[in-house]
Amino acid sequence: AQKVTQAQTEISVVEKEDVTLDCVYETRDTTYYLFWYKQPPSGELVFLIRRNSFDEQNEISGRYSWNFQKSTSSFNFTITASQVVDSAVYFCALINSGYSTLTFGKGTMLLVSP
Amino acid sequence: EAGVTQSPTHLIKTRGQQVTLRCSPISGHTSVYWYQQALGLGLQFLLWYDEGEERNRGNFPPRFSGRQFPNYSSELNVNALELEDSALYLCASSLYRVRATNEKLFFGSGTQLSVL
Repeated sequence: AQKVTQAQTEISVVEKEDVTLDCVYETRDTTYYLFWYKQPPSGELVFLIRRNSFDEQNEISGRYSWNFQKSTSSFNFTITASQVVDSAVYFCALINSGYSTLTFGKGTMLLVSP
Repeated sequence: EAGVTQSPTHLIKTRGQQVTLRCSPISGHTSVYWYQQALGLGLQFLLWYDEGEERNRGNFPPRFSGRQFPNYSSELNVNALELEDSALYLCASSLYRVRATNEKLFFGSGTQLSVL
């Protein structure tokens, strides 16, 4: 089975604060891929990052960074100096070789106020 | 290049009715996925079509069905609508099967279905 848990349902921050969105996953496979998607109010999910299970390097892209730790089965997402435009629902997702579709967490709604 | 397009954007139906949602994948994409996003439940996988065939379905009753056409566009049909079917229905496409291929899904903006 594969499962993704995003324990934070909703987070509110003030602009310029840093915020970390947590993602914990479960899988028995050794080969798997982890994703983060952003869903703005328009509804369309926007791809942010894909990470395979053999690459534990952390990644930084502008104000976004991701911390992948296999030891704790976590793939956390940090936004530095948050902006109002970061307000959205963020989904973590997983797929392994035994499954044919992405399994999503329930999402974390991030509200950044001015 | 056009992204994944879905129609209609909004729909209001009453219990017991039937509805058809449509999805056009990105040009060249052969796989189409349908997800249901109900309030508080995240994205639940509904159906996966690839090369015109249903490859997998999620844990939904048979009144949820669909098909994929030769041009790879897809329809999702829901019969005997129930109140709990109210949700955002998202369609996604990928160039190849996402399974273990390091591919990613491209999503449409969804169809918001309200069942009264």
